[in-house]
Parts: sequence; structure tokens; C-alpha cells
Amino acid sequence: GDSVTQTEGLVTLTEGLPVMLNCTYQTIYSNPFLFWYVHYLNESPRLLLKSSTDNKRTEHQGFHATLHKSSSSFHLQKSSAQLSDSALYYCALSDGIGANTGKLTFGHGTILRVHP
Amino acid sequence: EAAVTQSPRNKVAVTGGKVTLSCNQTNNHNNMYWYRQDTGHGLRLIHYSYGAGSTEKGDIPDGYKASRPSQENFSLILELATPSQTSVYFCASGTWGYEQYFGPGTRLTVL
Repeated sequence: GDSVTQTEGLVTLTEGLPVMLNCTYQTIYSNPFLFWYVHYLNESPRLLLKSSTDNKRTEHQGFHATLHKSSSSFHLQKSSAQLSDSALYYCALSDGIGANTGKLTFGHGTILRVHP
Repeated sequence: EAAVTQSPRNKVAVTGGKVTLSCNQTNNHNNMYWYRQDTGHGLRLIHYSYGAGSTEKGDIPDGYKASRPSQENFSLILELATPSQTSVYFCASGTWGYEQYFGPGTRLTVL
């Protein structure tokens, strides 16, 4: 079945340094959709980014990601980390075929902790 | 105003007891989902629904049942709760565009 692998566990960064959270996926479907969800403490998980076409960059709230089908990757990046970026980040995969279900497969999540 | 609400927000249950977690959405989405969130496992899909009257098994359905009596409501039922079901449970709603909207979560402790 589908699977998503993310950077393991906890990533700790100093404010101002670049952010990169890795996400790779496995699926038999040729046109998957990839997503990044962010879960701040005491809030609900919410969508941060969703993929566009192959090799096209998508951006939102200072974060960006590019779907690369050749390497089955959708890494999340930001040029300069802020304290407010501290959160749990999930990469998620949809096979694209189950359009009526919107069913997603989530990775295990990566905690980003940004300190001064 | 919150579009996906869950109740209760916190629940302590005893092993072998019955637990019902409720979810209500005002997004008018056809699809609704129940996940559990555990450290090291992320969000895992338990059950989902395409609309009123339908329920489908997700990736980890064992020990759980679901009910979708209306477009707005989706319940998760633990008939015989076990300590391994201690977790945080999230309900979400969504539509064909794939974005899912999550509720605030229910923290369940089974003693």
C-alpha cells in the first residue's frame, strides 16, 4: 500500500536558519498528490501546502515545496525559521484516484522546534 | 466559528467499557474521517464515510465501529475499550479537493 516517510522525530533549529523537512513516498499510482499539514500545540492540524504538477514549486506562509516524481519526494523548506514555526509537521499522500474519498496516508510526523 | 467540533474533549474510561466519541461538522462536506494520533505513528485512519449512512474501514479499524447518521454527524464507537486505545482522536471533514478540516481532538484515557 501507500506509504510516506518523513524526517525522523525532532528537528531543533536556531531562529533564522533554513528549514528543511524531508518527505518521500511510495505509491503505485502515477499521479499522486502530496500535502504538508501543520499541527500547532493546542490547535487542530491544518493544511499548509499541497502539491502542484511535477517539478513545480508551491508556496504558502513562507514555506515552499516541490513535487519531484523522479525521486518520489516533497520536501518542505523555508529560508529562515521563526519561533512561531515550532510545531508538528505531517507529510501526507493521496493517490489521486480516490477523488471522492479524499483519503490520505500520513507520515509519522516531524516535530520542529525553533529556539532563539 | 468552529466548523468541526468534537465531544467530549477529554474522556477517562474503564477497560471493557463502551465509549462513544462524537463529531459534528458544519462544512457540508460529504466525507468525514476518524484518526488517532500517537507519538511515533502520526495520524492513522480508523474509519471514514462518504456520506450519511455510509462507513468504511480505514487502516486500523480493529476494535472500533463508526456511525454516520447524517451529513453533519460522525461517531466513533469503542464497544469494549482497552488501554491500547488510549490516544488522541481527531475527526476531520473534507471534499473532493483533498483538503481535510480537523476538529480540536479528544483525549481518551482507558484505565
